[in-house]
Amino acid sequence: EAGVAQSPRYKIIEKRQSVAFWCNPISGHATLYWYQQILGQGPKLLIQFQNNGVVDDSQLPKDRFSAERLKGVDSTLKIQPAKLEDSAVYLCASSLGENTEAFFGQGTRLTVV
Amino acid sequence: GIQVEQSPPDLILQEGANSTLRCNFSDSVNNLQWFHQNPWGQLINLFYIPSGTKQNGRLSATTVATERYSLLYISSSQTTDSGVYFCAVEWGGGFKTIFGAGTRLFVKA
Repeated sequence: EAGVAQSPRYKIIEKRQSVAFWCNPISGHATLYWYQQILGQGPKLLIQFQNNGVVDDSQLPKDRFSAERLKGVDSTLKIQPAKLEDSAVYLCASSLGENTEAFFGQGTRLTVV
Repeated sequence: GIQVEQSPPDLILQEGANSTLRCNFSDSVNNLQWFHQNPWGQLINLFYIPSGTKQNGRLSATTVATERYSLLYISSSQTTDSGVYFCAVEWGGGFKTIFGAGTRLFVKA
């Protein structure tokens, strides 16, 4: 089966610009996650969707980050405006549902200069 | 919130050696996964192990949920085992998945 697809793989932007990332989960997976991984740290959960509803977004900096999962399939994560500290790898994951194994995409490496 | 602690933070092994990585968590969890993050950043699933013991080749894992820890065993290590090993727990009514800080493993030839 196809894995979690993410694009782009790499992105370099200037601070105060906006950027968007795309994720297509494994077919049939109801739960979708976005994580931020800063160099040298473990992934941090930003937002979790169950179908097209938000389960948890407590660690999403809502003044600049937004995410949506229209139609309960693919998802986009947007940053506007970007800051230097947003430089990180953004990982998308999906699972069949709660309490099931999660699978990760290859991530998008963002550099803000 | 829940705390997930991994030890040791760094580990250097000679090829062929065995090792044990540990993951402690501060609250009851719904499930636990072990991942290997390779040098290209891809998170590879190793085990989905909310309790009990599983083995896959040279790797095995044990989770003792009642005592709130899990162990990952690597036997006869190879240079390709190098990378970062993460445990991640699914916790709480919202089923949030929280990662530990990882164990960075380097296997020398």
